[in-house]
Amino acid sequence: QKEVEQNSGPLSVPEGAIASLNCTYSDRGSQSFFWYRQYSGKSPELIMSIYSNGDKEDGRFTAQLNKASQYVSLLIRDSQPSDSATYLCAVKSSYDKVIFGPGTSLSVIP
Amino acid sequence: DADVTQTPRNRITKTGKRIMLECSQTKGHDRMYWYRQDPGLGLRLIYYSFDVKDINKGEISDGYSVSRQAQAKFSLSLESAIPNQTALYFCATSTSGKGGAKTQYFGPGTRLLVL
Repeated sequence: QKEVEQNSGPLSVPEGAIASLNCTYSDRGSQSFFWYRQYSGKSPELIMSIYSNGDKEDGRFTAQLNKASQYVSLLIRDSQPSDSATYLCAVKSSYDKVIFGPGTSLSVIP
Repeated sequence: DADVTQTPRNRITKTGKRIMLECSQTKGHDRMYWYRQDPGLGLRLIYYSFDVKDINKGEISDGYSVSRQAQAKFSLSLESAIPNQTALYFCATSTSGKGGAKTQYFGPGTRLLVL
């Protein structure tokens, strides 16, 4: 089992819709969780971090964490074409390493 | 000026050549990392350094070596390049300290092609 898994893409949503990106992790002792956005040919940039169970909202982005289910998600409301990118889930494990998932490619169709 | 810089940005080399990728940062972070990214495989950690005297192997260190010349500089070397090391390489930095989230800040990447 891979340490961090993400739902396979590519994911296509129409403009204005909600995009839902999912991530599961294997280390139950993980404490910190991150979502990075990476445009094609560019470097990853942090968009959200979360480390408590529940929801965390920042503008159109909401991160959801459920440690019991070892599950973290990212919701993007009112999706825009500029949101088209690859989204990387990253988990800081109990042994102090950050492990990245393979990424989910999102395409927002105008 | 960018906080994390990488040189070169693009490099073409031949099999068997030794090459060095360099990373510099002005963020004052203790921790530095080298990743490679291949399509469909996400970011894979090659080496990481928590301070100048602390260097550790990541999940795919074979064929690579690193040098932490100063807090702000972390270099990655390919001792004898091979075609399957063709990839996009990223340097990243983060803060140290107990607890809390440790956001990683990435450089712009180096695109390496090994012929």
